[in-house]
Amino acid sequence: GNSVTQMEGPVTLSEEAFLTINCTYTATGYPSLFWYVQYPGEGLQLLLKATKADDKGSNKGFEATYRKETTSFHLEKGSVQVSDSAVYFCALISGAGGTSYGKLTFGQGTILTVHP
Amino acid sequence: DAGVIQSPRHEVTEMGQEVTLRCKPISGHNSLFWYRQTMMRGLELLIYFNNNVPIDDSGMPEDRFSAKMPNASFSTLKIQPSEPRDSAVYFCASRRETYSNQPQHFGDGTRLSIL
Repeated sequence: GNSVTQMEGPVTLSEEAFLTINCTYTATGYPSLFWYVQYPGEGLQLLLKATKADDKGSNKGFEATYRKETTSFHLEKGSVQVSDSAVYFCALISGAGGTSYGKLTFGQGTILTVHP
Repeated sequence: DAGVIQSPRHEVTEMGQEVTLRCKPISGHNSLFWYRQTMMRGLELLIYFNNNVPIDDSGMPEDRFSAKMPNASFSTLKIQPSEPRDSAVYFCASRRETYSNQPQHFGDGTRLSIL
């Protein structure tokens, strides 16, 4: 079956530090990969996505590259801000031959806290 | 462009009472998902509808939980009778079912507390 494994948190950084949150996956077919972010008291928001190998998703200074050879989709940001403090979820939708199944498989989430 | 709308945002009730959570998906989206989030278990998929038809309800905890989608713009999740262990944040999400793996879009959730 499909699974997503994220690095365990919590992750605590100082403002302007470099961020990496590791994500690896197992899936059937050709998955699409996503990073969602959940700010305190809110729902999950799509942060970025990549739908095929070697695609790079980016948004708000965050980046992640779909690496099929290592089955990874690590999230990076060069300089974090206090406002980036949130829970980050890696997720996939597995499809084969272009068919979308719709169900997201989530990682367990990584709590990020950024201090001034 | 309105997102997924959930109501109520907060619900506090006593155990044994019936609880109804509501969701309005994004217009044009034909798949709808109900999730439950707790500290202990993280995000759990409860049920998934496609074109108003329940496709996968294997995540529904027990018979006390039921979900309906009478039309493309409305869904409910009902708990009857409610128990303290049902306390959680319940999220609704929708997506446009296509062949291009579109993402799910989440509502802000209903924070449910059963006393």
